[in-house]
Amino acid sequence: GEDVEQSLFLSVREGDSSVINCTYTDSSSTYLYWYKQEPGAGLQLLTYIFSNMDMKQDQRLTVLLNKKDKHLSLRIADTQTGDSAIYFCAVFAYSGAGSYQLTFGKGTKLSVIP
Amino acid sequence: KAGVTQTPRYLIKTRGQQVTLSCSPISGHRSVSWYQQTPGQGLQFLFEYFSETQRNKGNFPGRFSGRQFSNSRSEMNVSTLELGDSALYLCASSLGSSNEKLFFGSGTQLSVL
Repeated sequence: GEDVEQSLFLSVREGDSSVINCTYTDSSSTYLYWYKQEPGAGLQLLTYIFSNMDMKQDQRLTVLLNKKDKHLSLRIADTQTGDSAIYFCAVFAYSGAGSYQLTFGKGTKLSVIP
Repeated sequence: KAGVTQTPRYLIKTRGQQVTLSCSPISGHRSVSWYQQTPGQGLQFLFEYFSETQRNKGNFPGRFSGRQFSNSRSEMNVSTLELGDSALYLCASSLGSSNEKLFFGSGTQLSVL
């Protein structure tokens, strides 16, 4: 099945850019997502990219996809203290028997230092 | 539009008991997926229901089951609870096509003592 890997921690200073990286294994992945989870809350969909795209920009968020290397990244420009949270990479791929499944990485905890 | 609603927010049970969790999807969404989140294992897929049928299933024992009603609301049941079942159970809804954005509820925090 699909395997999604992320580094567990990232610490940045307020105002700097944050880059969160993710690698995955299944080349048939169709949609790739970034979710944000704040303490005590569910997952909030931040942005997503279709597998035939290289880049997507959405205000302070930039998603880069390198399909050859199966590498996905999320860049947050001008990082704010309110961006402190856990960020999950998720990959939507075929899981067999006519089914699709969303597989998540373990999450990257972003800490923003004021 | 109201978001995904999960009830209850918190549950405390003892080993051997059973529990039922409820999820109301976003209006118009026909697919409901359930995930278990623990610090050690992260987010693990339990199952997905679409139009009252289980469409996909993760690698969990048969003690974990679910169902979906005609109004797309879903329930998840765990029987014979074990300490290791303590987790945040998240429900997500989507329109139900093969390429999907999932929208999550706030989860039910289950503690098994």
